[in-house]
Amino acid sequence: DIQMTQSPSSLSASVGDRVTITCQASQDISNYLNWYQQKPGKAPKLLIYDASNLETGVPSRFSGSGSGTDFTFTISSLQPEDIATYYCQQYDNLPPGGFTFGPGTKVDIK
Amino acid sequence: EVQLVESGGGLVQPGRSLRLSCAASGFTFDDYAMHWVRQAPGKGLEWVSGISWNSGSIGYADSVKGRFTISRDNAKNSLYLQMNSLRAEDTALYYCAKDKVRDYVVGSFDYWGQGTLVTVSS
Repeated sequence: DIQMTQSPSSLSASVGDRVTITCQASQDISNYLNWYQQKPGKAPKLLIYDASNLETGVPSRFSGSGSGTDFTFTISSLQPEDIATYYCQQYDNLPPGGFTFGPGTKVDIK
Repeated sequence: EVQLVESGGGLVQPGRSLRLSCAASGFTFDDYAMHWVRQAPGKGLEWVSGISWNSGSIGYADSVKGRFTISRDNAKNSLYLQMNSLRAEDTALYYCAKDKVRDYVVGSFDYWGQGTLVTVSS
């Protein structure tokens, strides 16, 4: 099974700061990686698919990059409404047998 | 507008069964694979099971294989999860999620329901 790790597990930043989260897969997953945002008490929301593609309607301050085993998620200018937990998720393990999520990164305002 | 509404959760004793349902609307249900994803209280996300548009391809997480069965009824725009031999560690909020890409099981979840809570306890 493919394991996903994320760092940091949590961070505090100021409004306007650039925030970066990293995600690592235990094996090469090409660009089969998504990023989700989950606000407290809400369902997750897809932000980035195929490692770097912005989902429709998602603000352009969110971006993703990477391929293979190492990926990065960036918020270029942190806004108060970005307070959430962010998860990476691989979808390389086909046929359906395992789509694994990272443990999450909790983002707070300093 | 895409809507996914889960139901069927509740309190159940260990070893018993429960059947979850997800009613879908706002899209052509039989064009897309569907999934169940769960989240234990205060924990992260775990993919549970997925099913292709025509039920021809089905997959399960190792943690539920042999105990859970996913199914769908395209005529009723509904997704189901039959959960047998429930354990305390199955306690979670269960989300229904739509696959992003038409006709294929990709594993990108672009729409989610609000979840139904399953609590396994004696």
